[in-house]
Amino acid sequence: IQLTQSPSSLSASVGDRVTITCRASQGISSYLAWYQQKPGKVPKLLIYAASTLQSGVPSRFSGSGSGTDFTLTISSLQPEDFATYYCQQLNDYPLTFGGGTKVEIK
Amino acid sequence: EVQLVESGGGLVKPGGSLRLSCAASGFTFTSHSMNWVRQAPGKGLEWVSSVSSRSSYIYYADSVKGRFTISRDNAKNSLFLQMNSLRAEDTAVYYCAKESTDGVSPLDYWGRGTLVTVSS
Repeated sequence: IQLTQSPSSLSASVGDRVTITCRASQGISSYLAWYQQKPGKVPKLLIYAASTLQSGVPSRFSGSGSGTDFTLTISSLQPEDFATYYCQQLNDYPLTFGGGTKVEIK
Repeated sequence: EVQLVESGGGLVKPGGSLRLSCAASGFTFTSHSMNWVRQAPGKGLEWVSSVSSRSSYIYYADSVKGRFTISRDNAKNSLFLQMNSLRAEDTAVYYCAKESTDGVSPLDYWGRGTLVTVSS
């Protein structure tokens, strides 16, 4: 199952609403997770089951979608949110990640 | 506190072998599936392999199937990745990652990674 993220990068300002999409090559129900990775750091789980926030993750992050189309939304971008975001499908092996979306400061 | 500490990375020639280890602590190791995920320099994440809690189920990415072997020692809370016939394209940071449950589930904790460089 291939995952296509768009855009591959974006520039945004603090306070902006940011939306990242992840499209699966076939239906994966809600078996999708989102991760955040800051430069030089380890990936961090943000959302699983497409829309469930991992414990400790700020509520400005949200996820939606099912089937083949998914979105990660940051309602009000904060300085600490500048990072690369990856989706991962957990529907079937081999597990796959999307190519990543780099969120940069405008 | 959950801790995952990888070791065993280094420089190896093409065709060579390397064995990675991951020491786990701070959780019930026998209740969780474990994974290896890699990241080539400047590139995205690539899932490599998964093993269920009792090693009943093992899966590999097509890119490593037949060359890599995942295993675990539940008595020692340890995860391993035996890598044979290494290629330049295997150069990456290799992360050990814990699943939230036993079975296909998100990766809720990651180690800091160990760098594998395949070069002559």
